[in-house]
Amino acid sequence: QVQLQESGPGLVKPSETLSLTCSVSGASIVPYDWNWIRQSPGQGLEWIGHIHYSGTTDYNPALESRVTISADTSKSLLSLNLTSVSAADTATYFCARDGFAQTWNGNYYYIDVWGKGVTVIVSS
Amino acid sequence: DIQLTQSPSSLSAFVGDRVTITCRASQGISRFLAWYQQRSGTAPKLLIYGASILHRGVPSRFSGSGSGTEFVLTIESLQPEDLGTYFCQHTNGFPYSFGRGTKLEIK
Repeated sequence: QVQLQESGPGLVKPSETLSLTCSVSGASIVPYDWNWIRQSPGQGLEWIGHIHYSGTTDYNPALESRVTISADTSKSLLSLNLTSVSAADTATYFCARDGFAQTWNGNYYYIDVWGKGVTVIVSS
Repeated sequence: DIQLTQSPSSLSAFVGDRVTITCRASQGISRFLAWYQQRSGTAPKLLIYGASILHRGVPSRFSGSGSGTEFVLTIESLQPEDLGTYFCQHTNGFPYSFGRGTKLEIK
């Protein structure tokens, strides 16, 4: 059974860099694709970005200038770096796996495995 | 970028009721839409993908329909454990996005 576990500092100062990791167990990073998603208190879900198992990344345009997602396949670790944080970046951060299904009417991606999330507060 | 608009933002229903939640996309996304349920304090859980394909282990009272720009999640015979917030998400290319959610309460 695939399990994802996010970790990182619970408190980050404004203007600093938020760095999180996600440990993947029960499955290899390859050949799956992976996402980082966040949820501000009492708010909806915001997609941050995606990393293909080849290392190719795609980011939310609203965050693209500040975000980097990477993967260490040998350690089964995903990483998220978000620079120049502000209070608006206070949220629970989830790592999540893309599932893929080939069906009679098309091929579909979806997010089928989520970590429990890690809460990060940006405050001085 | 594709925006998803969910309605209603909240609803309250009785056990046994039929509940529908709508998700509208700002442009056509074929059937590249998924639905998730999120209970308080937990991560979202996949219910449906491909607009209408039930994920394994999800009760058959959940169903999805639609294509293009309009999609519907239906819960037949609402159960107490169905309370939570429901989100739609498109996977019609990057950037992915989510609807703002529909909070479902049990009367």
